[in-house]
This record gives sequence, C-alpha cells and structure tokens, in this order.
Amino acid sequence: DAEITQSPRHKITETGRQVTLACHQTWNHNNMFWYRQDLGHGLRLIHYSYGVQDTNKGEVSDGYSVSRSNTEDLPLTLESAASSQTSVYFCASKLDRTAGELFFGEGSRLTVL
Amino acid sequence: GENVEQHPSTLSVQEGDSAVIKCTYSDSASNYFPWYKQELGKGPQLIIDIRSNVGEKKDQRIAVTLNKTAKHFSLHITETQPEDSAVYFCAARSYSGAGSYQLTFGKGTKLSVIP
Repeated sequence: DAEITQSPRHKITETGRQVTLACHQTWNHNNMFWYRQDLGHGLRLIHYSYGVQDTNKGEVSDGYSVSRSNTEDLPLTLESAASSQTSVYFCASKLDRTAGELFFGEGSRLTVL
Repeated sequence: GENVEQHPSTLSVQEGDSAVIKCTYSDSASNYFPWYKQELGKGPQLIIDIRSNVGEKKDQRIAVTLNKTAKHFSLHITETQPEDSAVYFCAARSYSGAGSYQLTFGKGTKLSVIP
C-alpha cells in the first residue's frame, strides 16, 4: 500500500543545532506540506510544495526551510533550532492541487533543549 | 487570511449520546470544509467533508452541516462509541493567492466518550 513516512519519530536536540526531518511518500503526489501542531494552536502550515523544485512559505515559515529534489521527498530543515520550535511536526501530501484528501504522516516529535 | 474558530475545545459524552462540534470561518469565498480525526499518536485522517454547494452530508453515524450565510459548519456524531474518542479538527479551504488554495485548521476538539 502507498504511504507517507516520517523520520525520526522522536528527536531531542540542543538550541542552535541544525535538524532535518524527513518525509517520504509513495503515492506519487505532487503536492506536499509540512505542519506543526501545538497545544492551543491546532495545525499550522510551515512550508508546501506543488512539485519538484517548487517550494512556498506557509503561515509560520520563519526558521524553517524545505527543498524538493524529487516527487517522493520533502525534507524540513531547522537551520538553528530554538526552544520555540519544540513541537510535533506532520508531513502531508495530496494528489490534486486545489481539492481532494490530505494524507498525513504519523508525526515527528521534536524537543529543543 | 482565513480564520477558523472551533468550539468546544473539550467535550465529554456518555456512550450512545450524540456529540456536536461547531466551527466558524471568516472568508466568505471558502468553498470546501473537511473534518479530520486524530487518534493518539497518529496523524489526522479525513472522516468527512462538505462543499459549499451542499447544505448537509451524512456518512453512517457522522454528518456535517454547512450554513454559508452564517459562515459556520458543524460535525454531528450520533450513537457515540469509545472508539470515537479522539481529537477532531475542522478546516476551511480558501484561495491564498498565486494559484494556491490552502486549508486553515481550527484548534481542535478533544472528544472523550465515557463507557
């Protein structure tokens, strides 16, 4: 079955370190997204991509970057981790750019000490 | 941009009772409203959605209603079961410019079904 996988599922890092969260999907979806989930804030969009070499900023993009070198992967990088970036991160993908179901991964819990 | 408010933030019901979660949105041009269920330790999963040209949609024990004039939509779960316990998110899709449509999520409702 096609799926979307995130790694690592749990990570603890220190302030100032660079961190990369991986996202891999086997649906061949062009559209991929990164969200963060925090208590009291729900799901907020960080970055998204509509295809290879396309990346766009979302609502809370400061301190994060993404790259899209192939259809299957959209890694999320925290250039210099801050305690405010402690959160649960979800990757998602969908087939259609303007409609259709958004499929989520199982999340990556990041703690920045 | 779009703003989605969701209430209540927590909801406890007895097994077999009904549960209702309500959301309001701000952008009158929003045209698609999905509901996601998130079980503990998992990612959100779509359970039902409704488009702006429809007033109500039902799928077994769950239903969604939309009032475009008032800009609010609701999730109704009847005959609740313990496996309905989860966090539920509403969302609204709006145009965000440059050919981009984005979902804006509510802050979530934690539903607990008491056996």
